[in-house]
Amino acid sequence: AQRVTQPEKLLSVFKGAPVELKCNYSYSGSPELFWYVQYSRQRLQLLLRHISRESIKGFTADLNKGETSFHLKKPFAQEEDSAMYYCALLMNRDDKIIFGKGTRLHILP
Amino acid sequence: DTGVSQDPRHKITKRGQNVTFRCDPISEHNRLYWYRQTLGQGPEFLTYFQNEAQLEKSRLLSDRFSAERPKGSFSTLEIQRTEQGDSAMYLCASSLARGPYGYTFGSGTRLTVV
Repeated sequence: AQRVTQPEKLLSVFKGAPVELKCNYSYSGSPELFWYVQYSRQRLQLLLRHISRESIKGFTADLNKGETSFHLKKPFAQEEDSAMYYCALLMNRDDKIIFGKGTRLHILP
Repeated sequence: DTGVSQDPRHKITKRGQNVTFRCDPISEHNRLYWYRQTLGQGPEFLTYFQNEAQLEKSRLLSDRFSAERPKGSFSTLEIQRTEQGDSAMYLCASSLARGPYGYTFGSGTRLTVV
């Protein structure tokens, strides 16, 4: 069955430390992966797409098809990174996105 | 165009009442999606439209739920005979076309059934 798993509900990291938010997926087709972010009292917004191979706000994510993972990384955490992060999978066959349960990232001063 | 708009932002209703939510997508987006989000969960897919055609409806959506997108512009989601379990954030999103573009989300409508 198609699934997106984010194993950590909460991740607390000191400012300046590296961040890694884990995401694993299960999908038999060709996946397209995304990370969405929701800052306090703001709407859910797209952070980055694996197909773009971009770095947004210092975050990167690499699709590893062998490990079926799409972990989000940032070398040096900033306080403004505190937010809820959702990993998402576009199922091309069904043409809809499914989301993981999310990880709350808390940056400690 | 200020993005995806949802109305109302909050709705409190008594159990058994009907409620209707509205979503206005980004004007050039032909795809519109409805999701539901409960506490501690990620958004769950409910249904989606391409223009005015409803292409898929999740098994999460009971017969009490109906969605429309007349003329392929705004969409409405109606819940009849609301139950306490319907309390959630209802999110609308739109996208330009099929493909790995991601969606633009609205702020959501928070429904509380008392």
